[in-house]
Amino acid sequence: EDKVVQSPLSLVVHEGDTVTLNCSYEVTNFRSLLWYKQEKKAPTFLFMLTSSGIEKKSGRLSSILDKKELFSILNITATQTGDSAVYLCAVTTGNQFYFGTGTSLTVIP
Amino acid sequence: EPEVTQTPSHQVTQMGQEVILRCVPISNHLYFYWYRQILGQKVEFLVSFYNNEISEKSEIFDDQFSVERPDGSNFTLKIRSTKLEDSAMYFCASSAYRGSYNEQFFGPGTRLTVL
Repeated sequence: EDKVVQSPLSLVVHEGDTVTLNCSYEVTNFRSLLWYKQEKKAPTFLFMLTSSGIEKKSGRLSSILDKKELFSILNITATQTGDSAVYLCAVTTGNQFYFGTGTSLTVIP
Repeated sequence: EPEVTQTPSHQVTQMGQEVILRCVPISNHLYFYWYRQILGQKVEFLVSFYNNEISEKSEIFDDQFSVERPDGSNFTLKIRSTKLEDSAMYFCASSAYRGSYNEQFFGPGTRLTVL
């Protein structure tokens, strides 16, 4: 049974568009939710969210967590071709980590 | 900027052979992790390691797998009697504090191909 579900599975947008990626989860003993960007190889860390309702922001990227409804969103504004990647959501419980299958984002010039 | 390194970048082995994948975590980090990603599938947690012992392991991490920190810098994943389905990208990660509350830094991965 999938513990972390991401949607959409893939997305194609034009440069300048704004995108919203979704991550829903169902785990016991939730500790935090993490977003990663995976280009060719290793995931690189974007955000870690532990509290509901507090937006984390880094440049054009932002993310927020809703622990009541068990989901998080990742927003990317004014997308650029360099944003093309797979975006992974992961949930931790203690030292266990559960990843979603990712959302593949393609930004067309 | 400090980074996690992994060797080799690509390992090809015959089914039934043993392989050792090596990782050098960031030097002041205390928590270490192995993940795998089968081509086209999700990243899967294998094991976490702290203070020279396993903290947590997933169902995937059975007796075929073992981890070790043989010295102050290396962190290894040993896979005994490899199977075709062990073919995957294996990522090592490290964090300064317990992973639930701290960023993990991933290495570039080792692609394991079992023939």
